[in-house]
Order: sequence, then structure tokens, then C-alpha cells
Amino acid sequence: GENVEQHPSTLSVQEGDSAVIKCTYSDSASNYFPWYKQELGKRPQLIIDIRSNVGEKKDQRIAVTLNKTAKHFSLHITETQPEDSAVYFCAATFAGGTSYGKLTFGQGTILTVHP
Amino acid sequence: SQTIHQWPATLVQPVGSPLSLECTVEGTSNPNLYWYRQAAGRGLQLLFYSIGIDQISSEVPQNLSASRPQDRQFILSSKKLLLSDSGFYLCASTEGTSGFPQKGEQFFGPGTRLTVL
Repeated sequence: GENVEQHPSTLSVQEGDSAVIKCTYSDSASNYFPWYKQELGKRPQLIIDIRSNVGEKKDQRIAVTLNKTAKHFSLHITETQPEDSAVYFCAATFAGGTSYGKLTFGQGTILTVHP
Repeated sequence: SQTIHQWPATLVQPVGSPLSLECTVEGTSNPNLYWYRQAAGRGLQLLFYSIGIDQISSEVPQNLSASRPQDRQFILSSKKLLLSDSGFYLCASTEGTSGFPQKGEQFFGPGTRLTVL
């Protein structure tokens, strides 16, 4: 089955700096890679995703890159703000097949943005 | 877009008592549904998933069970709770077509925080 490794486990940055979180996956058949943000005591919220037919996707201050050959993908947050502080999870799955949409999650990264 | 409801929001139960958590989904038909558990400060553990009514698959052997009596209703149960069952229980939904999600986006409900004493 799929295995997703996420690094770092904690990340501390100053407001305005950039933050990068990296994930590697093991199953070359995986074709859908979402990122979730979870604030304390809340549900995970889907913030951006990427499919295997593209290498990069941006949405305002966040971007995700995918390297299929190396089987890794990364989340980039620019101009960080204190409200970006949360736990971030990456995930991977093969959408459209007998994985039935089951996501394999990374272990999470606690991002702290200091004012 | 989908809306996922879960109740209760919080629950405190004694060891050995039964459990029933409910999840309902609006705004989609034939969703794939999932139950996750998140222990304090930890990641997301998939417990069960369902591709249709009465079609349940278990990912982790445990004293929990799940049922799907209606297309958009998913229930998590236990006959006797253990201390280790404490955690944040999340229901999630993905649009599906005969069980095969074409888009992949998975959305979470607000969760139930369960404390077993």
C-alpha cells in the first residue's frame, strides 16, 4: 500500500518569511495529492491539491509542486502570517480506482508563524 | 457543495459504555464515506470506509463498528468503550460514482470529541 512521509514535523518562521513542507510517497500509481490545514480543535480543511498531470499549482500565497519521478511533493507558503499557524497534512491516493478514494496521510507539520 | 454534519460535538463516556456517533451528508449523492480517528497531537487514522449502503470496509481491527443504513448516513458504534477509544472522530465524504471517486477531493465534518473515563 501507499506510504507517505512528511517533513519537518515542526516548523517555526517569522511573519513574512516563506515556509516549505515536503512529502514523499511510495506508490507510483498515486495521482492525487491534497494538502489540509487543521487549526487547533477544528476539522482539517482542504487548502490546495495537485494531480499527477501537472507539476505546479498556485493559489494566492500557497503553491504546491509535484515531482513524479522522485515521488515527492511540497507545499510552499509565501509571506506567512500568524493566521497560517496550524498543523498541515499532506496526503496521496489513486483517484478513480479501487482505492475508493482512501487517502494516505503524512504525519503532519506543526507550523508556527511568529509576529 | 457538500455539507457534512456530525453529532454530538462532544461526548464524555465511562469505560464499558456503548457508543453511537452519527454523520450525515448533504449536497451530493452516492458519496464514499469515511470514519477517521485522531488522537491528541497525532495524525489521521482511517477506521472505516463505505462505497454504498451496507457496504463497509474496516481498515483497523478494533472494538468499533460502522454502518450505513442510508446513502448519506454513516454511523460509528461500539458496544463497550475502552480508554484508548478517546479521540477526535472525523467523518469525511468524497463524491463517488459506483464507489470510484473521479475527483478525489475529500471533505471533513466538524468532528466529535470523545473522552472515555
